[in-house]
Order: sequence, then structure tokens, then C-alpha cells
Amino acid sequence: DVKVTQSSRYLVKRTGEKVFLECVQDMDHENMFWYRQDPGLGLRLIYFSYDVKMKEKGDIPEGYSVSREKKERFSLILESASTNQTSMYLCASSFSRYGYTFGSGTRLTVV
Amino acid sequence: AQSVTQPDIHITVSEGASLELRCNYSYGATPYLFWYVQSPGQGLQLLLKYFSGDTLVQGIKGFEAEFKRSQSSFNLRKPSVHWSDAAEYFCAVAPNAGNNRKLIWGLGTSLAVNP
Repeated sequence: DVKVTQSSRYLVKRTGEKVFLECVQDMDHENMFWYRQDPGLGLRLIYFSYDVKMKEKGDIPEGYSVSREKKERFSLILESASTNQTSMYLCASSFSRYGYTFGSGTRLTVV
Repeated sequence: AQSVTQPDIHITVSEGASLELRCNYSYGATPYLFWYVQSPGQGLQLLLKYFSGDTLVQGIKGFEAEFKRSQSSFNLRKPSVHWSDAAEYFCAVAPNAGNNRKLIWGLGTSLAVNP
């Protein structure tokens, strides 16, 4: 069964910490995406990547960075976590524009 | 600008009743169209998709959706809802021109099912 795996389901971090969220897909998909999801705001795109070492800003990139050193792995980095980054983070991958496959999500709490 | 509208934020239906969730999009040409479902605390799962051809598409879990070009709509339906269908439902479109790989998302419709 094809899969997108996010390394943590729940994460609690302190303000100011550097936080890494990892996402791995086993489908050889070219595109990978990071979203955050907050009640009433839907899915908001943080960053996406369409190739190894390539990245593009989404709608809300401030406070985040990403890394894609290998095709299967796309990491989201919170350089200095803040309480307003408490959210559900969703990783997805896709081939061309034929729909996304999502991971199970990481619920991050920054205290 | 391209957009997706899901007019209903919350819907409550009784178990066994029929369901229709609305989705309208704003785009010049026919995009690729998707419906996803999200159970509480989970990621999103693809229910069904439309690329071309027959405008009535069948998906998983007994769902279907109909593409209506004249109304720019892609409404999701189920003839008889089960309690396990309680979830958040998202409509999304992918422009089928150019090199755009990003989906455009609606804000979602939350479905509650009464026993």
C-alpha cells in the first residue's frame, strides 16, 4: 500500500526551539507539499517542492523553511517555534496534478 | 482568481438519509476535480476525482459526484449516510493548464450524523 509517512503524530515543543517535521513518501512522486490546518481556515500551503533541492513558497511561508535532499523526503523546519505555530501539519505528495496522497498529520503544540 | 467555494460549513443529517455536499469553483476551463474526506485527527483521504469523460463519477465508501460544467459545480452525494461518514469533507481543483501542480482547496464542510 502506497504511503506518506509523517514521523510524529503528536509533538510538544517549547517556544524558541528549532523543530523538524519529517515526511517520507514511497511512491516516487515528484511533488511534495506541507500544509497547516487550523479550525475555520482550511488548508494553507506553507511550502512545496517539485524536485529534489527545489522549493517554492506557498501562501504562509513566514517562520518556516524546508529541505528536500532526497526525492522521497521533505522536511519542514520551524526555525524558532512560537505559540502561533501550534497547529495540525499535513504533508502530501503527488505525481503531476493527479491528486495528492496525504500523511496522517502531526499535531504540534508549542508551549 | 481561481477559487473553490463550499457554501455549507456544517451539515447535520440523520443516519440513513441522503446527502449532498456542494462545491463550486471559479476557473476559466474545466479543471481536474477532487473530493477528500478527513476523519477527526487524521490526514485527508481521496474519495473520488474527475478528469474528463463521464460527468458522474463513483468513489469509495459509496460516494459519487457529478460535474456540471454549466454550473461550475462538482457536488458530492451519498444515497444513505452511515454514522461513520461523520467527518470533514474538502473539495479541491487542479487547473489543467500550464505547469501548476498546486491544488486549490475549499474550506471544507463538517458533516455530523444523528443516530
